[in-house]
Amino acid sequence: GQQLNQSPQSMFIQEGEDVSMNCTSSSIFNTWLWYKQDPGEGPVLLIALYKAGELTSNGRLTAQFGITRKDSFLNISASIPSDVGIYFCAGLFGNEKLTFGTGTRLTIIP
Amino acid sequence: NAGVTQTPKFRILKIGQSMTLQCAQDMNHNYMYWYRQDPGMGLKLIYYSVGAGITDKGEVPNGYNVSRSTTEDFPLRLELAAPSQTSVYFCASSPHTAGQGSHEQYFGPGTRLTVT
Repeated sequence: GQQLNQSPQSMFIQEGEDVSMNCTSSSIFNTWLWYKQDPGEGPVLLIALYKAGELTSNGRLTAQFGITRKDSFLNISASIPSDVGIYFCAGLFGNEKLTFGTGTRLTIIP
Repeated sequence: NAGVTQTPKFRILKIGQSMTLQCAQDMNHNYMYWYRQDPGMGLKLIYYSVGAGITDKGEVPNGYNVSRSTTEDFPLRLELAAPSQTSVYFCASSPHTAGQGSHEQYFGPGTRLTVT
């Protein structure tokens, strides 16, 4: 099946720092979704992107749909303790099934 | 709306036992999905359904069965539990109608299954 490479696999940052992560695919997508998963919980949708080049914000989170349609980026500004968790990207092209990335684990160092 | 609900939250099975994981959604979504998530890994699609009476295999369907008799419910059946089925199972739903936002999937809280 399709593979989504998500990087970095893990991040250790201090509170207040900005965070950047990305997702790349060997295939094009026409929808990109970004999810966050807290420990012991299901993934929660953060941002959805539908057009190449689109830039969408949700509070301190900003995501972009790459112009090649093969990548997407998520930025978190001024991180806070509740940002800790695993962030997943997911892509969709023309069928019912999302392809999920392997996740980026965000840890905030006290 | 309760969204997507899953029961039970936790379960321990012995090898060879059977069980059904329940999933229900009250958002009138057409599409429903079952995923498994192994420790430190992403989500793998087991089965999905595009509407009542219609189901299809995902990436890892072996050892599982599903049915979709109503729009609201999408149970996942394990017939002969094996240690390889130890995982966290997530159910999700999606409106999947025409228009923007239709492919967004909403997840339940998960069922943590251990097979020993």
